[in-house]
Amino acid sequence: QSVLTQPPSASGTPGQRVTISCSGSSSNIGSNTVDWYQQLPGMAPKLLIYSDNQRPSGVPDRFSGSKSGTSASLAISGLQSEDEANYFCASWDDTLNGPCVVFGGGTKLTVL
Amino acid sequence: QITLKESGPTLVKPTQTLTLTCTVSGSPTRNGGDGVGWIRQPPGKGLEWLALIYWDDDKRYRPSLKGRLTITRDTSKNQVVLRMTNLDPVDTATYFCAHYSGYDYVLDYWGQGLKVTVSS
Repeated sequence: QSVLTQPPSASGTPGQRVTISCSGSSSNIGSNTVDWYQQLPGMAPKLLIYSDNQRPSGVPDRFSGSKSGTSASLAISGLQSEDEANYFCASWDDTLNGPCVVFGGGTKLTVL
Repeated sequence: QITLKESGPTLVKPTQTLTLTCTVSGSPTRNGGDGVGWIRQPPGKGLEWLALIYWDDDKRYRPSLKGRLTITRDTSKNQVVLRMTNLDPVDTATYFCAHYSGYDYVLDYWGQGLKVTVSS
């Protein structure tokens, strides 16, 4: 059971816009920034969005992030076949036992 | 560009201790807020953060595994070592190390991962 909640799957057709949600609580998303990672099959995760809505150099502007309260979202516009991957959200969690990084369970995106 | 590479055993017996090394190259910054973290991914499952060490030697551990984990760094070799004791088959996973940016509070560069199997 992951601390951050994501839908297990999402899908869309080429050119479409899809969004993936990430729900947390006041101790994580509500008080810390959110990052998003893309993981292609058999590969390491790649940073897609950091600090809620910032894109690292080289990430297309088709990818965007947003946050409101204790939830965050990743939006992918102009969906392409190469976007088919697993997507994970992450945030720091201020637990009673000390801060730690928590991840969502991941969302498998299928491009139909 | 920062690159990281994990090394260590790929097969470990139950109850043994796992020692993994992460070698960082590409001129990583040595700001105190930067560091290296370890994350694992069991087969077919999600990501699980394990530990983080800052270059100033401050450390953070996953609370549920704190008693089994030790993270250390050797700045002269640009290496970070994760030690996990009392291995169990449920610890079978791909283990990743990643550079942590203290400026952006994010694990921004990841190694390719090392698959570790715990089996007798």
